[in-house]
Amino acid sequence: NAGVTQTPKFRILKIGQSMTLQCTQDMNHNYMYWYRQDPGMGLKLIYYSVGAGITDKGEVPNGYNVSRSTTEDFPLRLELAAPSQTSVYFCASGHRAQGETQYFGPGTRLLVL
Amino acid sequence: KQEVTQIPAALSVPEGENLVLNCSFTDSAIYNLQWFRQDPGKGLTSLLLIQSSQREQTSGRLNASLDKSSGRSTLYIAASQPGDSATYLCALNTGNQFYFGTGTSLTVIP
Repeated sequence: NAGVTQTPKFRILKIGQSMTLQCTQDMNHNYMYWYRQDPGMGLKLIYYSVGAGITDKGEVPNGYNVSRSTTEDFPLRLELAAPSQTSVYFCASGHRAQGETQYFGPGTRLLVL
Repeated sequence: KQEVTQIPAALSVPEGENLVLNCSFTDSAIYNLQWFRQDPGKGLTSLLLIQSSQREQTSGRLNASLDKSSGRSTLYIAASQPGDSATYLCALNTGNQFYFGTGTSLTVIP
């Protein structure tokens, strides 16, 4: 199993541009998550999904959108990128929220200039 | 809202020393607590998961404890090694959401 894969690894955006961060997992997990990690800070939950077709907001959803059309894929969309969205983005997945761990991807480093 | 604090933010110890990392939280209504390891430029790797009904979990040289009544968890690392150098984060599961601490950066000096 490849686990959780994320693309791209690094991206530079100009203010106002849009992009989609890709996340794919091959473990047949129901739950998927998007986090951002700012320097010296813990991870903040952006959006999560409990299954295909179901998504919900986390702690810091503003400026982002997600979709979950399949079990495997959970893309994160940035519309009108802003410098405040400069961060490292992590995707994670798990079987269920309450009892089991999450498996993390390697992250996407985004710089908005 | 759940607040998670980890102290100290950074810790440097000589190889072989036993050490304790601390995690404090404000809301005891949790399903479980996890300790993760993060290496520079990498994602997170789960080390230990403690269910709400448990008091501690052990894996090799690692032991994690949970005291919900006081809002505290500790991660004990025995006989530290240079390979243990990394950032350690605790995370609380309150249902569908996870709240992470800011981490403790550990350096083990050979």
